[in-house]
Amino acid sequence: DTGVSQNPRHKITKRGQNVTFRCDPISEHNRLYWYRQTLGQGPEFLTYFQNEAQLEKSRLLSDRFSAERPKGSFSTLEIQRTEQGDSAMYLCASSANPNTGELFFGEGSRLTVL
Amino acid sequence: ILNVEQSPQSLHVQEGDSTNFTCSFPSSNFYALHWYRWETAKSPEALFVMTLNGDEKKKGRISATLNTKEGYSYLYIKGSQPEDSATYLCAPYQGAGSYQLTFGKGTKLSVIP
Repeated sequence: DTGVSQNPRHKITKRGQNVTFRCDPISEHNRLYWYRQTLGQGPEFLTYFQNEAQLEKSRLLSDRFSAERPKGSFSTLEIQRTEQGDSAMYLCASSANPNTGELFFGEGSRLTVL
Repeated sequence: ILNVEQSPQSLHVQEGDSTNFTCSFPSSNFYALHWYRWETAKSPEALFVMTLNGDEKKKGRISATLNTKEGYSYLYIKGSQPEDSATYLCAPYQGAGSYQLTFGKGTKLSVIP
C-alpha cells in the first residue's frame, strides 16, 4: 500500500499523559500536513512541513503540541500533558503538487483523553 | 483564518434523488478550490481541484462548478446512491500566500435506500 499511513489508529489516554502519533506520507511527497477534526467541525490546520522544515504552524496550537519531520520522511505529532479538549481525530496528509495543493490523507488517529 | 461556509450542514435524500451543496469562500487571494469526500472510517479523498472561474468538473454522477468572482462553488450529485453517503468538504487554497487548506464544516449526506 503506497498511501498515507498513520499510527496508532486509536489512542485512549488519561489526562496529563503524553501521546505521540506517527505519519508516513506517500514517499515522493515533500509536503506534509497535520490537521485536527472534532465533532461537527471540518478539519482544522495544525502545521505544515516542506521536506524537514516546519513552515507553518497554527496560532491555535498550544506549546503542548510539537511536530517533527526528521530527514523529510515520516512525521511525529506529540501532545504533552493531554487535556480532555485534545480529544479529536488527528489527520495527516501529504502533497506533491504546489500548484493545486491537492492533499492525500491518511485514515487518521483518534485520540480519547479520559 | 478564512471564513468558509457550507450548506446545508446535513441532508437526507432518497436513492435516485439528485442533490446539490454550496460552498462559500472569500473571493480575494483565490488560487484553487478543493472538494473532498469523507466516508465513515475512511480517509478524506479528493474529488475536484478547481482553479478557473466558470470551471466545471465532472466525475461520474458528481459534478462541481466554480465562481471565483463571487466566491462560491456548487457540488451536484445526480441520481444519489447509498455509496454516496459521506461528508463532503470544501476548502479554498491560497497558494504561495499560505500553504494550508481551510476546510468548511462539511455537508453530511445520507442516501436512504
